Amino acid sequence: EPEVTQTPSHQVTQMGQEVILRCVPISNHLYFYWYRQILGQKVEFLVSFYNNEISEKSEIFDDQFSVERPDGSNFTLKIRSTKLEDSAMYFCASSSQGAVTGELFFGEGSRLTVL
Amino acid sequence: AQTVTQSQPEMSVQEAETVTLSCTYDTSENNYYLFWYKQPPSRQMILVIRQEAYKQQNATENRFSVNFQKAAKSFSLKISDSQLGDTAMYFCASLIQGGSEKLVFGKGTKLTVNP
Repeated sequence: EPEVTQTPSHQVTQMGQEVILRCVPISNHLYFYWYRQILGQKVEFLVSFYNNEISEKSEIFDDQFSVERPDGSNFTLKIRSTKLEDSAMYFCASSSQGAVTGELFFGEGSRLTVL
Repeated sequence: AQTVTQSQPEMSVQEAETVTLSCTYDTSENNYYLFWYKQPPSRQMILVIRQEAYKQQNATENRFSVNFQKAAKSFSLKISDSQLGDTAMYFCASLIQGGSEKLVFGKGTKLTVNP
């Protein structure tokens, strides 16, 4: 069964360092997302990506964040200069028809710890 | 702004029994979708059930059904004949109709099914 895979499963980094979280969405999907969950808090939308561009982003997704689909298979989230408050579980998701169907396929998440 | 509230951080139920998970939401929109997602331990989040706000009929998927009360902005999930595999975090989420890709999640309810 196809699934969304994320790497790394856990990354520890120093404040101010750049981090890249990688995702391999399901191959025929067209919509891609990043969500995050700070420990004990809600899962929060960061960004959606469709047709090789950002279709929607939240207020959390500031200039420190960027997304890219460099080679048609990977979908990456880059945090340029990490802050302590970026520590969270980051979930990638993909969909063939968009969020309205609810059929978002999520990865298992990448846990980011910023020290 | 959309908000989703799940007031039960944890619940437990005996195998074969029925359990209801609560969710309330707030939105100024008239057209939206509501979802329940399930995240088993160390596994990906998956869609359980979806409800369109314009439909009066409650959605049902096998042992999972919802009680959608639009006026009260309530969207509870009923799990009948609970099975051990239903043990998971359950997230309620909403999506505004009309092109948005942003799911708004509640904090989740941790359900444990006891043998």
